[in-house]
Amino acid sequence: LAKTTQPISMDSYEGQEVNITCSHNNIATNDYITWYQQFPSQGPRFIIQGYKTKVTNEVASLFIPADRKSSTLSLPRVSLSDTAVYYCLVGEVYAGGGNKLTFGTGTQLKVEL
Amino acid sequence: GAGVSQTPSNKVTEKGKYVELRCDPISGHTALYWYRQSLGQGPEFLIYFQGTGAADDSGLPNDRFFAVRPEGSVSTLKIQRTERGDSAVYLCASSSSGTNTEAFFGQGTRLTVV
Repeated sequence: LAKTTQPISMDSYEGQEVNITCSHNNIATNDYITWYQQFPSQGPRFIIQGYKTKVTNEVASLFIPADRKSSTLSLPRVSLSDTAVYYCLVGEVYAGGGNKLTFGTGTQLKVEL
Repeated sequence: GAGVSQTPSNKVTEKGKYVELRCDPISGHTALYWYRQSLGQGPEFLIYFQGTGAADDSGLPNDRFFAVRPEGSVSTLKIQRTERGDSAVYLCASSSSGTNTEAFFGQGTRLTVV
């Protein structure tokens, strides 16, 4: 099972771009990379998922280099409401379908004015 | 329903008592997960259901913890002889069939054992 390593915390200011990098040196060939966001007193919420290169959706971009041993979540122009914990997950796929989502301690992003 | 629903939202129980936590997944979702989250930590995997069967229960900490999903929809997490160390937020998530599908989490049940 691929272990992930990410910074414990990051600080930013409103309007800036934030990049959170996650290391997953032991990622397996079939593993996808998924990022979740969690606000206090709420369950995690899916942000974005990718396998290789770049994925972009309405809230974030995910950059994955060719060796897939790391990934970077990019949040454009953050606001105070982006203050949350961000988790990088590398999914183990069950034989019968479904993914085992293994969370680390995540990165606490704090956005200030 | 619109999302994953967990009841109760808060539960206070005395050490040694039995508790049941309920999860109503999104309709049609065949995959269901239970997690436990302590303060300052990421969610810790407990058990995964595919349909009615527990496909992976490797995260259950000991035999005091048990979960069922008899009809492939609602699931109940059961904890016997609760201990103070069981205090945590218990999260449930569901997803559609297939791999690499988005998991939707409920708000969690905050369990406090006194």
